[in-house]
Amino acid sequence: LAKTTQPISMDSYEGQEVNITCSHNNIATNDYITWYQQFPSQGPRFIIQGYKTKVTNEVASLFIPADRKSSTLSLPRVSLSDTAVYYCLVGDGNTGGFKTIFGAGTRLFVKA
Amino acid sequence: NAGVTQTPKFRILKIGQSMTLQCTQDMNHNYMYWYRQDPGMGLKLIYYSVGAGITDKGEVPNGYNVSRSTTEDFPLRLELAAPSQTSVYFCASSWTSGRYNEQFFGPGTRLTVL
Repeated sequence: LAKTTQPISMDSYEGQEVNITCSHNNIATNDYITWYQQFPSQGPRFIIQGYKTKVTNEVASLFIPADRKSSTLSLPRVSLSDTAVYYCLVGDGNTGGFKTIFGAGTRLFVKA
Repeated sequence: NAGVTQTPKFRILKIGQSMTLQCTQDMNHNYMYWYRQDPGMGLKLIYYSVGAGITDKGEVPNGYNVSRSTTEDFPLRLELAAPSQTSVYFCASSWTSGRYNEQFFGPGTRLTVL
């Protein structure tokens, strides 16, 4: 399983765009990249998943360069309610996705 | 749909006691998982199941047991509780194991072993 590296914490202000980058140098051909969000005292919640290039949904965008050794989660115009821990996961898209590993994540703190 | 439900929400155990953490999902998902999360840390996979009657160990299975007799239920058993098992336990389920493996998590059980 590919190991991921993320910043431990980030600060931002309301209304700004936040980009959280995750490194996964040993990503395998079949691996997908998934991001989860976790609020205090709650279980993680799926945000977005991608394989290459760019994926966008109503919550976030995920940018994956051609070499796939990193990915960037982009949160547009954050609000106080986006204060949470964000996890980057890399898992086998064919058979081993359920063995993905949650690292320590990135603790995002949004200030007023 | 209730999604993934867990009981109890909180529990305090004495060293050596046993208990079962209950997990039920109503989404007809084949895949179910148990994680533990220690303070300030990420989640660690304890056990997972790919369907009724099939379970396998995750990253940290020692001190725990699971069973999967139905698609809906995936209880986690703690035998001889130890202080090192003080943690928040999350149950999750997903439709697939690979691509589009979106895991749905329960609200968690906060366990303290004294």
